[in-house]
Amino acid sequence: LAKTTQPISMDSYEGQEVNITCSHNNIATNDYITWYQQFPSQGPRFIIQGYKTKVTNEVASLFIPADRKSSTLSLPRVSLSDTAVYYCLVGLNTGFQKLVFGTGTRLLVSP
Amino acid sequence: SQTIHQWPATLVQPVGSPLSLECTVEGTSNPNLYWYRQAAGRGLQLLFYSVGIGQISSEVPQNLSASRPQDRQFILSSKKLLLSDSGFYLCAWSVGGQGETQYFGPGTRLLVL
Repeated sequence: LAKTTQPISMDSYEGQEVNITCSHNNIATNDYITWYQQFPSQGPRFIIQGYKTKVTNEVASLFIPADRKSSTLSLPRVSLSDTAVYYCLVGLNTGFQKLVFGTGTRLLVSP
Repeated sequence: SQTIHQWPATLVQPVGSPLSLECTVEGTSNPNLYWYRQAAGRGLQLLFYSVGIGQISSEVPQNLSASRPQDRQFILSSKKLLLSDSGFYLCAWSVGGQGETQYFGPGTRLLVL
């Protein structure tokens, strides 16, 4: 599985846009990129997944450049409730998938 | 809709005592099932996974074991707990296909004293 590298922590203020970048230089052709969000004492929650270019849903956008060696999770107008740890993972998109979670990025949103 | 349950929510056990954590999934058939452990302030470590009844694969050698007696039931066990077994245990499920995504349960916080 491709290894990922993320910033350990980020700080932001309410109403700002937050962009968290993840590096995955060894991503394989069939790998998808998935982001999870985890609050304290809860299991991770799926946020968004993509393969290339841009994906958008009701909570976030995912930007993936053509070489797919990195990806950026974009959270528009964050609120205090977006304070959490965000994990970037890459893995096979078919069949059984073993996910490798790193330490993630701890996002702190302040008033 | 699919739901995943874990119990107990919290558990305090003495060193050397047995352990049994249970996870059940509703609303799906033949899911892939996973057990993870998360130490305080750390990422998730995959412990076991199962692609079917009675099929268990271990990722990390340890004094824990897992079993899958039914399609949607996954159990994590230990005969004798160690202090290092303390942590947050998470069960997850997924269904194979394009962009397979894992869905996590609420977790069990285990403290071994």
